[in-house]
Amino acid sequence: GENVEQHPSTLSVQEGDSAVIKCTYSDSASNYFPWYKQELGKGPQLIIDIRSNVGEKKDQRIAVTLNKTAKHFSLHITETQPEDSAVYFCAARGGYQKVTFGTGTKLQVIP
Amino acid sequence: EAGVAQSPRYKIIEKRQSVAFWCNPISGHATLYWYQQILGQGPKLLIQFQNNGVVDDSQLPKDRFSAERLKGVDSTLKIQPAKLEDSAVYLCASSPWDLGTEAFFGQGTRLTVV
Repeated sequence: GENVEQHPSTLSVQEGDSAVIKCTYSDSASNYFPWYKQELGKGPQLIIDIRSNVGEKKDQRIAVTLNKTAKHFSLHITETQPEDSAVYFCAARGGYQKVTFGTGTKLQVIP
Repeated sequence: EAGVAQSPRYKIIEKRQSVAFWCNPISGHATLYWYQQILGQGPKLLIQFQNNGVVDDSQLPKDRFSAERLKGVDSTLKIQPAKLEDSAVYLCASSPWDLGTEAFFGQGTRLTVV
């Protein structure tokens, strides 16, 4: 089955700096890669996603890149703000819509 | 559009007792997922339904966990008997049956087994 690895597990950045989270996946059939933000006591919420036919996607301060050959994808957050502090999960969706999550990155933005 | 509804929000039970969780997905979503999220870890898929059929239950501990989705809408997840290691947040999610669409999550049920 699919295996998704995510790093780093924790990340502290100064407010205004950029944050980068990286993930790798194992199933070459995976074709959809969402990123979720989870705040304390809440379910994961989608922040950005990318499909396998696209190499990069940007939405304001958030961008995601995908390298299908290397089977890795990354989340980039620029101009970080304290409200960006949360746990971020990458995920990969393969056959039958099965979604496999990474282990999570706890991001702390220091004011 | 109403989101994924789950109940209860919190549950505390003793080991060897049974417990049930309920999920009402977003209207029209064919795919429903149950995930187990242990503190500090990513969500782990327990079972996935496509309408009322099971697509994947390879990681469901079938000796104690069961799930059903009658009429392809609401779903229940049951644990009987519960063990201490079942303490986790149980997340329900749903998505339309289209390639490359997001899964929408409920707030989860936090289970504590003492």
